[in-house]
Amino acid sequence: ETGVTQSPTHLIKTRGQQVTLRCSSQSGHNTVSWYQQALGQGPQFIFQYYREEENGRGNFPPRFSGLQFPNYSSELNVNALELDDSALYLCASSLGEGMGLVYEQYFGPGTRLTVT
Amino acid sequence: AQSVTQPDIHITVSEGASLELRCNYSYGATPYLFWYVQSPGQGLQLLLKYFSGDTLVQGIKGFEAEFKRSQSSFNLRKPSVHWSDAAEYFCAVGPGGGADGLTFGKGTHLIIQP
Repeated sequence: ETGVTQSPTHLIKTRGQQVTLRCSSQSGHNTVSWYQQALGQGPQFIFQYYREEENGRGNFPPRFSGLQFPNYSSELNVNALELDDSALYLCASSLGEGMGLVYEQYFGPGTRLTVT
Repeated sequence: AQSVTQPDIHITVSEGASLELRCNYSYGATPYLFWYVQSPGQGLQLLLKYFSGDTLVQGIKGFEAEFKRSQSSFNLRKPSVHWSDAAEYFCAVGPGGGADGLTFGKGTHLIIQP
């Protein structure tokens, strides 16, 4: 069974640029969630994708957007990067039921984004 | 709004000693509760979860947690810690069958003394 994988591992971008982070979900999982973890903090929920549609979103601005593909992999896109976007971005996959409702989530190793 | 409080930012325990990490939550409905562990530079690993039923739940690596509704707590315990347990521990609450993501505490950094 393949776990959750993320790429790249590390990334350095300049303020104002755009970035795309990628996630492959665990085998058999159909739902992907993205979290932002600032240094010294717990992860914060960005959004969740089920069957290629966003079905849940946290308190993040629209410049944070995503995609889910038919194979359930996912991308997180961040436009107009700000210094405060520097964080570890975690992807979590899960098995969604019904309307994409999930229970336990399994996390990938994360992508460390640094914005200078 | 739901929230999770982990009162201890750092805890230092001697190897072989017992451990208890505290977690208090605020949630309007029946909570689904989780403990995750994060080693430096790593993602989160699920230690255990509580959805319903027996309030004492067993997890991986010898950890257990007890759900106490009257105290809104879900404390993590281990009878004897090992040096490899040094890590960051996060308590989280979720809607259980929801699409609103997990709400995490700020974490407790566990240091193991030889």
